[in-house]
Amino acid sequence: SQQGEEDPQALSIQEGENATMNCSYKTSINNLQWYRQNSGRGLVHLILIRSNEREKHSGRLRVTLDTSKKSSSLLITASRAADTASYFCAERGNTPLVFGKGTRLSVIA
Amino acid sequence: NAGVMQNPRHLVRRRGQEARLRCSPMKGHSHVYWYRQLPEEGLKFMVYLQKENIIDESGMPKERFSAEFPKEGPSILRIQQVVRGDSAAYFCASSPAGSVSTDTQYFGPGTRLTVL
Repeated sequence: SQQGEEDPQALSIQEGENATMNCSYKTSINNLQWYRQNSGRGLVHLILIRSNEREKHSGRLRVTLDTSKKSSSLLITASRAADTASYFCAERGNTPLVFGKGTRLSVIA
Repeated sequence: NAGVMQNPRHLVRRRGQEARLRCSPMKGHSHVYWYRQLPEEGLKFMVYLQKENIIDESGMPKERFSAEFPKEGPSILRIQQVVRGDSAAYFCASSPAGSVSTDTQYFGPGTRLTVL
């Protein structure tokens, strides 16, 4: 299977703490994308990082990419209860997006 | 600008029936993707279409599944003779024509198919 892996599978933190999720992928990528999915809903695109970029910021989100290790991380700073969701990384090579299995984040108020 | 629309949101079929799932991409988007999501799993790519063309169907099961994106109207994912294993959430995404390095896919709310 080409499917990547997120780590951890589940994460529970207190509101205000930072949350870090990691993603490993298997193919040579053109870009890597992170998505959020609230329970029972569709996916929302969060951020895209190209293969020639190492770090990218968007609001409280920070994404890093290490192509030598085929890994990426998503950091959510100052988490809020509304950040509770599943987070997926998706690798984009020459084929359409390949999603990992996701990290389920619970932020406790 | 309306987002990606999918209907129905929920669909119940008995084994052996046909399921037709519809997806209207965002205005101005000419690329459509279908994904399947099993419980507690990530999304699995099924098929990628542009208007009147199937670009990549490497994720589609060889039998019973078909997809189209006609010149006019929504994209249709069709599952014939459904079986219980087809029960899943089916998501459609769309993107504008653009380069691979910058494409972002916009997802619909999904259709949850339950096969009894």
